[in-house]
Order: sequence, then structure tokens, then C-alpha cells
Amino acid sequence: DAGVIQSPRHEVTEMGQEVTLRCKPISGHNSLFWYRQTMMRGLELLIYFNNNVPIDDSGMPEDRFSAKMPNASFSTLKIQPSEPRDSAVYFCASSRTASDRAYGYTFGSGTRLTVV
Amino acid sequence: GESVGLHLPTLSVQEGDNSIINCAYSNSASDYFIWYKQESGKGPQFIIDIRSNMDKRQGQRVTVLLNKTVKHLSLQIAATQPGDSAVYFCAEKSGQAGTALIFGKGTTLSVSS
Repeated sequence: DAGVIQSPRHEVTEMGQEVTLRCKPISGHNSLFWYRQTMMRGLELLIYFNNNVPIDDSGMPEDRFSAKMPNASFSTLKIQPSEPRDSAVYFCASSRTASDRAYGYTFGSGTRLTVV
Repeated sequence: GESVGLHLPTLSVQEGDNSIINCAYSNSASDYFIWYKQESGKGPQFIIDIRSNMDKRQGQRVTVLLNKTVKHLSLQIAATQPGDSAVYFCAEKSGQAGTALIFGKGTTLSVSS
């Protein structure tokens, strides 16, 4: 298994530009999560999907952030327009989910975003 | 609000020593806990998990202890090796439907040889 695949690994963009981060979850996992990691705030949950449906997006900072999961094998996180304070490492994770049991998440390698 | 936190931000040990990393949680509804290891430039890596119906679980060189009375979680690493140097996070999940893992701030473990 190739694990959770994220692209790009690094992204440097100018303030005001649109940024799109991509994620391919592990096949068979029905939940997908987007986290953001910074030194100040640690790992924060932005949004998560179950069976391609957004369940909780309360962690999305503001309307500039949006996420989609058009099918079970692909998700995007878009920031438009980007700002310097969005600079962080963005992780995608996936897991199995069952109504009666929790499972651990498998994380991708992350996308390091720098907005200048 | 409720959150998961760690007692110490850094821990330095000698190679071969046992390491203990602690974590406090405040959500009494949490019923699933995980320890993750994160090396520089990589994503968090699953180490071991424990459910609230257990108080101890062992893996290879690692043991997780759960004390629900005081809402405390610990990770014990036996015979710590330089390759164990990383940031360790505890994460907790509520049994409530529709919730996701919440992570603590992390403890940096430094192993010197």
C-alpha cells in the first residue's frame, strides 16, 4: 500500500494567490481528515469527511478555505486568496470508520505551504 | 474548552534508558486514545492505541497506560534508542458520533548516545 499521498510536498506562493492541496487516501478507508500544523497551535483539525460527505468543518478558519471530496480516492483543500498567516504544514489523514469502533488515522507526508 | 495536553514539552534521555511521556486529557467522554510519533519533515506515525475499557496495552518496546480516574495517559518506551528521537503526540477521541481525533501539543524526545 502506498499510504496517504499528498501533493505538492512544498508550495511557495504569493499573498493573494489561490492554493490547492491534494490528497489521495488509502484505498478502503472511508474517512478523510485535513489537519494544519503550526508551532503555535500544534495539529488542528480543519475538516473531515465520512463516505465523501463533510461531517465537521468547524475547524476551517474562514471562508477563504474550502475542501471537497468528489470521490472516495481524492480530496482537495483550497485557499483563496492565500495570506501569510496561512503558512503551515497541511496534513491529510485517512482511516476506517465504523459506528461501533474507532480506528487510528494514517497520515500523509504533508504539504509545507509558505505564503510570502 | 476541553483539550488534550502534555505535562512536559521536552524530554532528554540516554540511550538504553526507559522513557516515559505523559499526557493529560480533560474530556471525560473520550474513549479512544492514540500515541503518534513525528520525525522531522514527516507526518505523524501511529505507535499504539488504547480503548477506554483497558488500562494497559503493550507493543514492541512500548507500553501505554491509561488512568481514567485522573484522566492521564502515558507512553513508556523501553531501552530508548537514538531512532526514537522525535516529537510524540497523544490524541484522544470522544465516543460521540461525528467526532475526530484531537491532538495535544507534543513532547520532544531527545536520545543521546
